[in-house]
Amino acid sequence: KAGVTQTPRYLIKTRGQQVTLSCSPISGHRSVSWYQQTPGQGLQFLFEYFSETQRNKGNFPGRFSGRQFSNSRSEMNVSTLELGDSALYLCASSFGTGHHEQYFGPGTRLTVT
Amino acid sequence: DQQVKQNSPSLSVQEGRISILNCDYTNSMFDYFLWYKKYPAEGPTFLISISSIKDKNEDGRFTVFLNKSAKHLSLHIVPSQPGDSAVYFCAASFQGAQKLVFGQGTRLTINP
Repeated sequence: KAGVTQTPRYLIKTRGQQVTLSCSPISGHRSVSWYQQTPGQGLQFLFEYFSETQRNKGNFPGRFSGRQFSNSRSEMNVSTLELGDSALYLCASSFGTGHHEQYFGPGTRLTVT
Repeated sequence: DQQVKQNSPSLSVQEGRISILNCDYTNSMFDYFLWYKKYPAEGPTFLISISSIKDKNEDGRFTVFLNKSAKHLSLHIVPSQPGDSAVYFCAASFQGAQKLVFGQGTRLTINP
């Protein structure tokens, strides 16, 4: 069974631009969660989508948004990029009901200059 | 407010010995705990989990212990192997929510 895939793997953007990251979950998984990893803040939860609906949201500004499609694939968007948005963005998928492990993709390394 | 804490940034263990990684939490609502291993430039890899109704869960060389009264969990790796060298994260969730709260991680180095 294929794992979680994320595209692109690396991205360099300029301050003020916007970016869209993509995530394809494991087949059969309906929940997709996004996390941000930085050296200072560690791994932080951004939001979770289940059946095309945002079900949970972390403490991030409105510049961070996402969506999920009917095939469970998800995208996250960051608008008006700031230098502090430079991070590894990780996507994780799970069945989404009850206690189930989340399986992570390799991440997208975003650098904002 | 850091709800999940891993107080040891690093740990060095000799190959073949036991590695013990510790994690403390403050939110008593957490009812599911997980351990992940992470190599550089890769996403975290799920290792083992435990529900709050249990106090121990084993999977091969990995055992997780949960002490609810102390709000403490630990991961035991026996025997430690060079391939175990990585950063280990503990994470917690509650009520089936897919929102994981992570600790800061512990870098484990296995010395030959």
